[in-house]
Amino acid sequence: DAKTTQPTSMDCAEGRAANLPCNHSTISGNEYVYWYRQIHSQGPQYIIHGLKNNETNEMASLIITEDRKSSTLILPHATLRDTAVYYCIVYTGTASKLTFGTGTRLQVTL
Amino acid sequence: GAVVSQHPSWVICKSGTSVKIECRSLDFQATTMFWYRQFPKQSLMLMATSNEGSKATYEQGVEKDKFLINHASLTLSTLTVTSAHPEDSSFYICSALSPVLGSYEQYFGPGTRLTVT
Repeated sequence: DAKTTQPTSMDCAEGRAANLPCNHSTISGNEYVYWYRQIHSQGPQYIIHGLKNNETNEMASLIITEDRKSSTLILPHATLRDTAVYYCIVYTGTASKLTFGTGTRLQVTL
Repeated sequence: GAVVSQHPSWVICKSGTSVKIECRSLDFQATTMFWYRQFPKQSLMLMATSNEGSKATYEQGVEKDKFLINHASLTLSTLTVTSAHPEDSSFYICSALSPVLGSYEQYFGPGTRLTVT
């Protein structure tokens, strides 16, 4: 699976949009971009995934560039409960393992 | 969505003893489950892939005789840490694969915190 690069940490004010970038310049044509988050001392939680089109669900939006070499996870109205480590993973979606990088530690503040 | 449970959520054991951690898929059948380990302030590291009815596949550097994995049914995988030592203290997380619309999603358990004294 392709490698991803994310900023180590980010801050966001509560109520504002949190935009978390991810670079995946070596992504293959059959690899999806997945986002998970891990709140302290819990298991990772699935957020969203996409192949090449932008995606939106009740938690977040995923914007993937046309060349698919980078993406941005958007939490439209961040709350304190969104404070977590966010992992961007490229994955074929088959029955294979996920490789977690270091992720981005998002701190939402008042 | 699919739910994965782990038991126990935390455990303290003495050095030299063994401890078993269970991972269950509650509302779906999982032919494949994964075991991860996470040390403080670090990312998840995959330990092994557990396939129902067959031997687990271990990642490089993970001792298969120390971390025994059994996946005897489609809803249960167990990880046994044998002869535990303080350096085995960690957060152990399992995940289970669920087929969704032609692909697969991984659902994670809440984790088990192991402390070896």
